[in-house]
Order: sequence, then C-alpha cells, then structure tokens
Amino acid sequence: QQQVKQSPQSLIVQKGGISIINCAYENTAFDYFPWYQQFPGKGPALLIAIRPDVSEKKEGRFTISFNKSAKQFSLHIMDSQPGDSATYFCAASMGGTYKYIFGTGTRLKVLA
Amino acid sequence: DAGVIQSPRHEVTEMGQEVTLRCKPISGHDYLFWYRQTMMRGLELLIYFNNNVPIDDSGMPEDRFSAKMPNASFSTLKIQPSEPRDSAVYFCASSWAQLNGYTFGSGTRLTVV
Repeated sequence: QQQVKQSPQSLIVQKGGISIINCAYENTAFDYFPWYQQFPGKGPALLIAIRPDVSEKKEGRFTISFNKSAKQFSLHIMDSQPGDSATYFCAASMGGTYKYIFGTGTRLKVLA
Repeated sequence: DAGVIQSPRHEVTEMGQEVTLRCKPISGHDYLFWYRQTMMRGLELLIYFNNNVPIDDSGMPEDRFSAKMPNASFSTLKIQPSEPRDSAVYFCASSWAQLNGYTFGSGTRLTVV
C-alpha cells in the first residue's frame, strides 16, 4: 500500500513531441504528489507538484494530470526538448509526514 | 544560498572499513533526509530528522548504519563496517515545508570493494 508504481521505465521521444509518464498509488491517505527531475551526476530536483483537490496543474511545458478516483497521476512534457533528457521520478506523501515514497523512475531521452 | 552540500562526492573504501558521509542542509530548513539510490531499488528513505531529532529510521537497513544530527547545520551518516552491497549513491535532502518539496544535494557515490 505504500508503493508508487511508475511507468514506463524508459521513454524515447522525438524533439517537439509529448512525453507522458504515469504513476499509480494505492494509499488514499497520500495528499501530495511531486515530480522530480534528475540529471546524471546530480540530485533530483523538484519539477512540479500537485494536491488531490485539483485535477491538473501546469507550469510552462510541464503538466500534471491527476485522477483521484483512479488513484493515478501523470506528467506530460509538451514540446519535448533534448535538454529534457533526464530521469523523472514521481512521489507521494501523507500530510505532516514529509516522508516521500518515490516511484522507480523513468529515463527519458529526447532525440534531436 | 549554496544549496544542500554533501561531502565527499566520491568515496571508495575497502570492505570492513568505516565510512562517514556528511551533509550541510540549507539554512532555515528544519527537516533533513538521507536517501540511498541504487539501480535495483531506486530511491530509498533511510532516515529523517526534524529539528535535529530523528523521526523515522525505519529505512535504515541494519545496525551497521547510523545517522546523527548534532546541530541544525550538520548531519552524518556512518556505515561501520562497510560491505560491497552498501555501494550506492547516498543523497541528503532538506526541507522546511511539504509544499516546498525537498532540496537534494549532489550525492555521495560510495563504492565498497
């Protein structure tokens, strides 16, 4: 119940295309869902986050879609660029715990 | 702000040796986290502190691992004795509110031979 399942494991997208990464969870007590971006040799960096009281959040080319009834959320990267090539992690946490459960990561490669 | 600072960046040690990883959180952050990242297991939370007090150490794999936070600006993760299966990248992260997410350091790549 503490797991966050992430797919796909790897993704190759053409420049200008849309990258979509999906995550699913079981624990309905989770109330905060961040996405992190990690470049080789660096620590993960917060990209965008959402709470379950909204169905979508957009920041620039990055959008989180959230489906509370299905217990799923996804990251969409519009107009994907080679500079977006990185590993993306979804995560979930319960209010007040500050303890994140991370997905297993998706390695994205955007071809020039 | 210099961000979360970890040292060393790389550590190679022999099996059985003691290893100490260091972390300086962002000033003003009252939560500090130690994570381990491997290909097989992804990002695993080892332990986290709030106001220098350990809150949850359920992720610490075994007694060979210990963590301390003697003050708000410094934490250590110690492995004694180290084993080859401890080889991983260890990240420290800090935070002051859930809505702001974590800020991770650049990690320490540990190789135990």
